[in-house]
Amino acid sequence: KQEVTQIPAALSVPEGENLVLNCSFTDSAIYNLQWFRQDPGKGLTSLLLIQSSQREQTSGRLNASLDKSSGRSTLYIAASQPGDSATYLCAPREAAGNKLTFGGGTRVLVKP
Amino acid sequence: NAGVTQTPKFRILKIGQSMTLQCAQDMNHNYMYWYRQDPGMGLKLIYYSVGAGITDKGEVPNGYNVSRSTTEDFPLRLELAAPSQTSVYFCASSYGRGDQYFGPGTRLTVL
Repeated sequence: KQEVTQIPAALSVPEGENLVLNCSFTDSAIYNLQWFRQDPGKGLTSLLLIQSSQREQTSGRLNASLDKSSGRSTLYIAASQPGDSATYLCAPREAAGNKLTFGGGTRVLVKP
Repeated sequence: NAGVTQTPKFRILKIGQSMTLQCAQDMNHNYMYWYRQDPGMGLKLIYYSVGAGITDKGEVPNGYNVSRSTTEDFPLRLELAAPSQTSVYFCASSYGRGDQYFGPGTRLTVL
């Protein structure tokens, strides 16, 4: 059974600092991995999807890396802004089926 | 496009009551999913569907039922509500195994 861990559980940084969010998963047989953002009381918004054959994916200030063999993905957010304050969730999708398994998330606070 | 819509936004049920959570998408996605999110936790998959007429269990299906008679709609039925079903329920859809798009959620309390 896939287990996903996100460390740290919470993070507080001053504006402008770079953010590094870690995700580890126990089963490396994945099809892809998605990073999501969740604002309080809201649904999830997809940030990046990285295929199992890729090493990284970039969108604007966001960069996600994937090391499938070691069961790790990292989300980097450059030059953080107060608007980046949210909970970030990672979710690998199993290779043989259709299920995503979610981590518990990292709650980020960017202070102005 | 409205994307993924869910109704109702909030609901309070008494123990033993039943209800249906509605989910619809207008993106012509073939895959649809139901998740629940308990406070401070990640999401857990309840049921999913890869097309009309096809459904399958996720991680936590007990106490729930689904049907998928059309591509657009994927209702989730709660029978005999229990306090353990107090949670926020999210519906999502995707085209195949691509990006999942989420609805705004239904906050359910069972008293």
